[in-house]
Amino acid sequence: DTEVTQTPKHLVMGMTNKKSLKCEQHMGHRAMYWYKQKAKKPPELMFVYSYEKLSINESVPSRFSPECPNSSLLNLHLHALQPEDSALYLCASSQVGSGYGYTFGSGTRLTVV
Amino acid sequence: EDQVTQSPEALRLQEGESSSLNCSYTVSGLRGLFWYRQDPGKGPEFLFTLYSAGEEKEKERLKATLTKKESFLHITAPKPEDSATYLCAVLSSNTGKLIFGQGTTLQVKP
Repeated sequence: DTEVTQTPKHLVMGMTNKKSLKCEQHMGHRAMYWYKQKAKKPPELMFVYSYEKLSINESVPSRFSPECPNSSLLNLHLHALQPEDSALYLCASSQVGSGYGYTFGSGTRLTVV
Repeated sequence: EDQVTQSPEALRLQEGESSSLNCSYTVSGLRGLFWYRQDPGKGPEFLFTLYSAGEEKEKERLKATLTKKESFLHITAPKPEDSATYLCAVLSSNTGKLIFGQGTTLQVKP
């Protein structure tokens, strides 16, 4: 299995809702990442997990809450989002260490109304 | 500060017309330079990793090269299915972060 699977593919949520994005990989990668991508812009790093521990938080607002319950799963919990948070949310994974390429999922297209 | 700049922003080619995409970078310790292809609404698809100046990688019509300051993605005799956004990214050994350039959107017309 050489894929990163993200669910759901599309999500529409109101500003008072709570929802979660899920990411799963079975490549044995011990580093996992969340990126946010706005239209016609490059992906922007949000969080990095290494060996299931949060190692980088790029000053992301607390309405985004990541969780890594085990080495194969990564969640992003969403609460009280704003319309400007609408974007494509990408999950990626890689081996830990120098210079390994990241494998990206297809993303979740999030619309906040 | 780590920085990646890609040019041109957009490129239109006729089928069979070869060209090159540029990626200039400034990074505090290069762990690797990566090329990705991204189709609309999809996640980036890994193409190549380059680690040191002088290195070259090839895959079908694509060839990536690396110097100490920039990388090129050469596209030979492109086909319409090569139309996509091509992203360059560098992994910094100081920060451990993968930083993307703005991308080059390639359109190949039949």
